[in-house]
Amino acid sequence: SQQGEEDPQALSIQEGENATMNCSYKTSINNLQWYRQNSGRGLVHLILIRSNEREKHSGRLRVTLDTSKKSSSLLITASRAADTASYFCATTPTGANSKLTFGKGITLSVRP
Amino acid sequence: NAGVTQTPKFQVLKTGQSMTLQCAQDMNHNSMYWYRQDPGMGLRLIYYSASEGTTDKGEVPNGYNVSRLNKREFSLRLESAAPSQTSVYFCASSGTGVRGTEAFFGQGTRLTVV
Repeated sequence: SQQGEEDPQALSIQEGENATMNCSYKTSINNLQWYRQNSGRGLVHLILIRSNEREKHSGRLRVTLDTSKKSSSLLITASRAADTASYFCATTPTGANSKLTFGKGITLSVRP
Repeated sequence: NAGVTQTPKFQVLKTGQSMTLQCAQDMNHNSMYWYRQDPGMGLRLIYYSASEGTTDKGEVPNGYNVSRLNKREFSLRLESAAPSQTSVYFCASSGTGVRGTEAFFGQGTRLTVV
């Protein structure tokens, strides 16, 4: 079974609103990453948070990590139509630094 | 700098045929991966290679073999294709820091098995 599980599966918001996406995982991890995929394209890395970090920012992105709950959230502030894409969380388990596994993804639609 | 290059981009196979998907990266990365993406299933790890000369099974390895030919290249082989292997296949690579680094993806191979 897959390590990460995102929630919700689909999200539709108005341009300018904030989008919050959640990820839960099963085993202890070295780090957690978020990726974006535009339709039919390869994935693009957004942000990485290490297991000893609790929060990280990058531009309009804010990611949090709660290792006690085995969960992470990605917040996109002031969303734009161009943010419409699928978003995935990915983890590498402790002791297997190269085994990068993904969740099923969240489809975000931002309405102009 | 091409990044991660996959070939071919599209392929149609008949059930029972074999083929090899090629992947090459020019970023001097140690780790390479093969994933398949199916509707509603996200990306599932088929095989990965932590370094040249090593390969490990991922979540869905059955029906596939891999070769880490050198540091740059990581190929995926389907010995006897089945309709269940119809999917989009992605190759990726990453460096290896103490706590892991971001992965870079190829553009994908859309495979149809009829």
